Amino acid sequence: QQQVKQSPQSLIVQKGGISIINCAYENTAFDYFPWYQQFPGKGPALLIAIRPDVSEKKEGRFTISFNKSAKQFSLHIMDSQPGDSATYFCAATRSGGSNYKLTFGKGTLLTVNP
Amino acid sequence: NAGVMQNPRHLVRRRGQEARLRCSPMKGHSHVYWYRQLPEEGLKFMVYLQKENIIDESGMPKERFSAEFPKEGPSILRIQQVVRGDSAAYFCASSHGTGQKETQYFGPGTRLLVL
Repeated sequence: QQQVKQSPQSLIVQKGGISIINCAYENTAFDYFPWYQQFPGKGPALLIAIRPDVSEKKEGRFTISFNKSAKQFSLHIMDSQPGDSATYFCAATRSGGSNYKLTFGKGTLLTVNP
Repeated sequence: NAGVMQNPRHLVRRRGQEARLRCSPMKGHSHVYWYRQLPEEGLKFMVYLQKENIIDESGMPKERFSAEFPKEGPSILRIQQVVRGDSAAYFCASSHGTGQKETQYFGPGTRLLVL
């Protein structure tokens, strides 16, 4: 059972364009949704995160949009740059005893062409 | 301040051998987590440890896998009698505390290949 579904699997965007990655979750107990960025040969690094009490969070060129009723959230990268080329993972956790346990999507390989 | 360190970065084992993966958390961090990433899959939680204690091993396979985080030294993930299906990237993460707001910092991973 895949609790966090991520799409697309891969994405190619031209420099300056908008990259959009979507995730959907099944477990309504999830209430914290981080995004991780992973470069080749490196471990994932926290990029931005959101809680469901807000519908949008923006940090620089990165924005998370959250739709609680649809159980969906997405990452938007504005003015995409070649340096943004990486694999992006959405994740989710729940409050309570096992709130450290990150549930990841399968990842999206983003390529930004110059 | 060095980040999370893992070694070896690459490990090749033949079926039936043992694999030992090491993780040194960030300075000041006492919470360690292990995740496994199979090809074409996202990371999956395996185990959460604090110094000398296993807190949650719900994601660990029941057999052949074990983890420890001794009072001194790195955390160790041990896989006995490896099989080809164990081939994966194993990531360690550490945090200062626990809970949703505590960022988990990931190491570069150990890529295990079982021949």
